[in-house]
Amino acid sequence: GAGVSQSPSNKVTEKGKDVELRCDPISGHTALYWYRQRLGQGLEFLIYFQGNSAPDKSGLPSDRFSAERTGESVSTLTIQRTQQEDSAVYLCASNLGWGNEQFFGPGTRLTVL
Amino acid sequence: AQSVTQLDSQVPVFEEAPVELRCNYSSSVSVYLFWYVQYPNQGLQLLLKYLSGSTLVESINGFEAEFNKSQTSFHLRKPSVHISDTAEYFCAVSNLPYDKVIFGPGTSLSVIP
Repeated sequence: GAGVSQSPSNKVTEKGKDVELRCDPISGHTALYWYRQRLGQGLEFLIYFQGNSAPDKSGLPSDRFSAERTGESVSTLTIQRTQQEDSAVYLCASNLGWGNEQFFGPGTRLTVL
Repeated sequence: AQSVTQLDSQVPVFEEAPVELRCNYSSSVSVYLFWYVQYPNQGLQLLLKYLSGSTLVESINGFEAEFNKSQTSFHLRKPSVHISDTAEYFCAVSNLPYDKVIFGPGTSLSVIP
């Protein structure tokens, strides 16, 4: 079935390089979230898109992190000048809007050497 | 800002014993509440949610959670656990209206044969 997809599934990069992570939400889902999950830890909220409203960027840890979403479709999370502490699984989720079940993608495992 | 606390990072329990996983949130404003489960090597999926109405909500696999507004809690319970319940459990909260979903750090439930 058509679930949330993320690419790449794994990304290994060198410290200081930029990376782009992609999320394709379920068609028709107006809301899209990015979370970060470090090894053995919980989900850390990064950013939230809801329809045409301004995104909630309150969880982005630094100005090296940014995200965009084209309408109600694809989203890209960009991390500039990656650091080793950026190593984590980056999860994307989408839903039909506030209060509804979130559907999660498989994640992108980012390793910064 | 809203935050979610799951006091128990790891809960070992014998098979067929009862279990309670605790969840507290910080803000007393009106909220939506969720429990998500992450089975080993799988993605997150919704277990149950509270939006309104009865404060006791149930899942299809025997878990239940009770919303307690005065104690700002949403503890998850099951009267008799199975090996297959071994997983990471995440409590999540969303403030009314139209706010992002924040996750707790998770509780690792290990069911011992």
